[in-house]
Amino acid sequence: ELKVEQNPLFLSMQEGKNYTIYCNYSTTSDRLYWYRQDPGKSLESLFVLLSNGAVKQEGRLMASLDTKARLSTLHITAAVHDLSATYFCAVGASYNFNKFYFGSGTKLNVKP
Amino acid sequence: NAGVTQTPKFQVLKTGQSMTLQCAQDMNHEYMSWYRQDPGMGLRLIHYSVGAGITDQGEVPNGYNVSRSTTEDFPLRLLSAAPSQTSVYFCASSYSSRDGNTIYFGEGSWLTVV
Repeated sequence: ELKVEQNPLFLSMQEGKNYTIYCNYSTTSDRLYWYRQDPGKSLESLFVLLSNGAVKQEGRLMASLDTKARLSTLHITAAVHDLSATYFCAVGASYNFNKFYFGSGTKLNVKP
Repeated sequence: NAGVTQTPKFQVLKTGQSMTLQCAQDMNHEYMSWYRQDPGMGLRLIHYSVGAGITDQGEVPNGYNVSRSTTEDFPLRLLSAAPSQTSVYFCASSYSSRDGNTIYFGEGSWLTVV
């Protein structure tokens, strides 16, 4: 069964700093998703990465995928308080197009 | 623009009671699924469906039943509620495209079993 590990699980950072969240997965997949969840809310799609070397950017967030290393990163540039949330990565199973496995999430707190 | 609608949003059950969480989507998506989210954990797949009349088990199916009689609806039934089923439940729908599946989540249903 596909395992997805995120780290760190908790991240407290100052505004203006940079940091990276890592997402490792255990078996082959070429579909990687990043989601944001605010407390008490549903999940909001951030990025969909579909191929080795894929890089996508939206504002202060940039996601990349290395399928050979089975690793995706979510890089935060010059963090602002509004980015405080929990971030999840999810991996699509290669043997079943409709199955997704989620990491445990990274709770990000950006201090003003 | 309803998207994925879940009801109820909050529910308290007694151990042994049964109930159904409703999920409906108006986007004509083929794929629907149910996840549970426990504190400090990611979402775990309970059951999913690839179309009307077709369902399959996910990672944690025990204690839950589903059916898919229409494209729009995918209810989740708790047969005999247990405290271990206290969780937040998310229904999701998705479609496949060359850009990968895009998953749309409902607002969540907070369930407490006492």
